[in-house]
Amino acid sequence: AQKVTQAQTEISVVEKEDVTLDCVYETRDTTYYLFWYKQPPSGELVFLIRRNSFDEQNEISGRYSWNFQKSTSSFNFTITASQVVDSAVYFCALNDYKLSFGAGTTVTVRA
Amino acid sequence: DGGITQSPKYLFRKEGQNVTLSCEQNLNHDAMYWYRQDPGQGLRLIYYSQIVNDFQKGDIAEGYSVSREKKESFPLTVTSAQKNPTAFYLCASSIGTGGAFFGQGTRLTVV
Repeated sequence: AQKVTQAQTEISVVEKEDVTLDCVYETRDTTYYLFWYKQPPSGELVFLIRRNSFDEQNEISGRYSWNFQKSTSSFNFTITASQVVDSAVYFCALNDYKLSFGAGTTVTVRA
Repeated sequence: DGGITQSPKYLFRKEGQNVTLSCEQNLNHDAMYWYRQDPGQGLRLIYYSQIVNDFQKGDIAEGYSVSREKKESFPLTVTSAQKNPTAFYLCASSIGTGGAFFGQGTRLTVV
């Protein structure tokens, strides 16, 4: 069964538009962590954020923000005022002692 | 510098041969993981290890083997039983359910 679902396969926007990436997860554990990673064309995965299951506060880091809602098992990621350098594949992940990834969302930002 | 080192970056294998991908970390992380990524696809878990001398199969373990004799090392052997081994392989490590940090990956091609 898919533990992490990223429903959007590809998103294309024009520079300066906002883009929101959806992530829905499934776990029976009460203690777990959620993550977002960025994979640029070089292939290396870059860690963006970690959120534990007991902390539902939203977080903002520069142009990035995350919305965690346990009631809907969602952990969505928004890029505000997108830039060309944001073009990459973004992965949502769940760690409940087995680190599982979603299928990824390819974001293309056009100048 | 602390981090995860995967080697080699590119690897070519003849059909029927076993090959071993190296993964070393000096982050003192207990958990280590191996993922496979095919073009345009997400990350699929091959094997993971939460502690030295112990490891578990992931979602696609068939045709692969691992060992965890030392905390800092988690080599992956792609055996001849793996019928379609050409892919991008990523190794990661983490502290328990914390965020995983990734190596730069190994691109394996069967020739």
